[in-house]
Amino acid sequence: EPEVTQTPSHQVTQMGQEVILRCVPISNHLYFYWYRQILGQKVEFLVSFYNNEISEKSEIFDDQFSVERPDGSNFTLKIRSTKLEDSAMYFCASSRDFSHGELFFGEGSRLTVL
Amino acid sequence: GDSVTQMEGPVTLSEEAFLTINCTYTATGYPSLFWYVQYPGEGLQLLLKATKADDKGSNKGFEATYRKETTSFHLEKGSVQVSDSAVYFCALTETGTASKLTFGTGTRLQVTL
Repeated sequence: EPEVTQTPSHQVTQMGQEVILRCVPISNHLYFYWYRQILGQKVEFLVSFYNNEISEKSEIFDDQFSVERPDGSNFTLKIRSTKLEDSAMYFCASSRDFSHGELFFGEGSRLTVL
Repeated sequence: GDSVTQMEGPVTLSEEAFLTINCTYTATGYPSLFWYVQYPGEGLQLLLKATKADDKGSNKGFEATYRKETTSFHLEKGSVQVSDSAVYFCALTETGTASKLTFGTGTRLQVTL
């Protein structure tokens, strides 16, 4: 069964460093998303992406964050200068269409900022 | 803004016990409601959904009914199995934003023999 894959599964970084989290969405999907979950808190929407541009973003998704689909298969989330409060589990998701909440999620990438 | 509140976990049950995980929501308009499940080592998977009031979503023995009058979408299963051990997330999509999910905190279920 097709699945969304994410790498790395866990990354530890120093505050101020740049981090890139990678995702390979399901191949025939057109919509891509990043969510995150800070430990003990809710899963929060960050950004949605369609047709090579951001379609919606939350207030969390400030200038330190960017997304890219560099090669038609990968979908990346870059955090330019990490802060302690960026420590979280980051989930990538994809969907075939704007299908009323039926998203397919990856296992998540745990980011720890020291 | 819209929000989802789930019961705190973890929930520990013996196999074949009855499960209820409470979920209530706050929303303007008419959201769609979902339960997602995350098994150990896997991504979140859609378990069931309901798109309008009084709809019942069901899958793998789990059920949830969209109750507009109580703004609730409680997850139930009559007889849990060890393989149901996972984290369960209640979520909604706001009217007009079909795929932007608002999640609860998740409830961990542990089923023992």
